[in-house]
Amino acid sequence: DQQVKQNSPSLSVQEGRISILNCDYTNSMFDYFLWYKKYPAEGPTFLISISSIKDKNEDGRFTVFLNKSAKHLSLHIVPSQPGDSAVYFCAARVGSNYKLTFGKGTLLTVNP
Amino acid sequence: IAGITQAPTSQILAAGRRMTLRCTQDMRHNAMYWYRQDLGLGLRLIHYSNTAGTTGKGEVPDGYSVSRANTDDFPLTLASAVPSQTSVYFCASSPGTGADTQYFGPGTRLTVL
Repeated sequence: DQQVKQNSPSLSVQEGRISILNCDYTNSMFDYFLWYKKYPAEGPTFLISISSIKDKNEDGRFTVFLNKSAKHLSLHIVPSQPGDSAVYFCAARVGSNYKLTFGKGTLLTVNP
Repeated sequence: IAGITQAPTSQILAAGRRMTLRCTQDMRHNAMYWYRQDLGLGLRLIHYSNTAGTTGKGEVPDGYSVSRANTDDFPLTLASAVPSQTSVYFCASSPGTGADTQYFGPGTRLTVL
């Protein structure tokens, strides 16, 4: 049973427009959520996170929204840039257990 | 430069052979992790260690073993490699406290024939 789901394997957007990547989870015990970005032949890098006590966290062009009642979070990138083209992983964890559960990832392509 | 190193970068291995993937971090992080990444399956946790001297099983531990003799090193061993262990392996570490962001190494691409 997949506890963290990224149902869109890929997303393509035009440069300058908004990119919205979605993530759903089933485990109501998850209380901390993270987004990682991965370029080919590199390890994932941390992008942004949100605690379950918040519904929004913003860092520059990146904003993560959390809807706990829907068990849904999304990553917004505005404006999108070609350098944002990468695989984005959603991850979640339970409390002080630092193990992360990852989604399958979404490949974002930003076209010039 | 502080971070995580993994060795080898890539390896082709005959089935049945023993292989150890190395991982070293210099950030004095308490926790370390091993993941495998497979197409369409994302990142799956193999084993983890919350602190030196302790280890735990992740989501897909079968066929793998780990040890954590000190803070910096967290080797992953395949005792008898099988083709289904063909994957990209990522080591990660985290402080083990607070917000606890995990930092990943560059990965090892392993092919078992």
